[in-house]
Amino acid sequence: EAGVAQSPRYKIIEKRQSVAFWCNPISGHATLYWYQQILGQGPKLLIQFQNNGVVDDSQLPKDRFSAERLKGVDSTLKIQPAKLEDSAVYLCASSEGQAHSYEQYFGPGTRLTVT
Amino acid sequence: AQSVTQLGSHVSVSEGALVLLRCNYSSSVPPYLFWYVQYPNQGLQLLLKYTTGATLVKGINGFEAEFKKSETSFHLTKPSAHMSDAAEYFCAVLNSGYSTLTFGKGTMLLVSP
Repeated sequence: EAGVAQSPRYKIIEKRQSVAFWCNPISGHATLYWYQQILGQGPKLLIQFQNNGVVDDSQLPKDRFSAERLKGVDSTLKIQPAKLEDSAVYLCASSEGQAHSYEQYFGPGTRLTVT
Repeated sequence: AQSVTQLGSHVSVSEGALVLLRCNYSSSVPPYLFWYVQYPNQGLQLLLKYTTGATLVKGINGFEAEFKKSETSFHLTKPSAHMSDAAEYFCAVLNSGYSTLTFGKGTMLLVSP
């Protein structure tokens, strides 16, 4: 079974530029999560999708971050404009559905450096 | 709201020694608890989980954890450390409602020969 795929693996941008990350969850997984992991900290949930609907985006900085999951499969997370403090690893995870949400499977992450 | 505290940002052990990584949680409901491991430049991998039932939980790679409600703890142990265990370990609690996870800040395990 293929795992969660993310691209790119690494990205370096200047502040005020925009960037987008892509995630392809495990086939059949209805729930998709985006986490932000700042160096030295645990992952922090940014947004949770159930199919193509948003379940929880309470910690997403909506003035600069956006995410979509149009067909209930792949997802894109965008930052526009980026700030220095956005430097982090962005992790995507998926699970079968809310009844089994504790079984989350993580992708390798995208390491973003904002200069 | 649920929260997790991991004591010690770094733990150093010698190969063959006991591994003990500490995790305390705060939860307003019976908790579901997890330990994840993260190797460099990789995502998180589930080591073990506690949901209900037996309080001593066995996971992969010889790790186990014991849920102690009276101490609000879920410490991770392994009898004998291997060099390959060197990684960062995260304790997490499942949040009520939307079933999301709250992670601790992580503990880096260093294993010396």
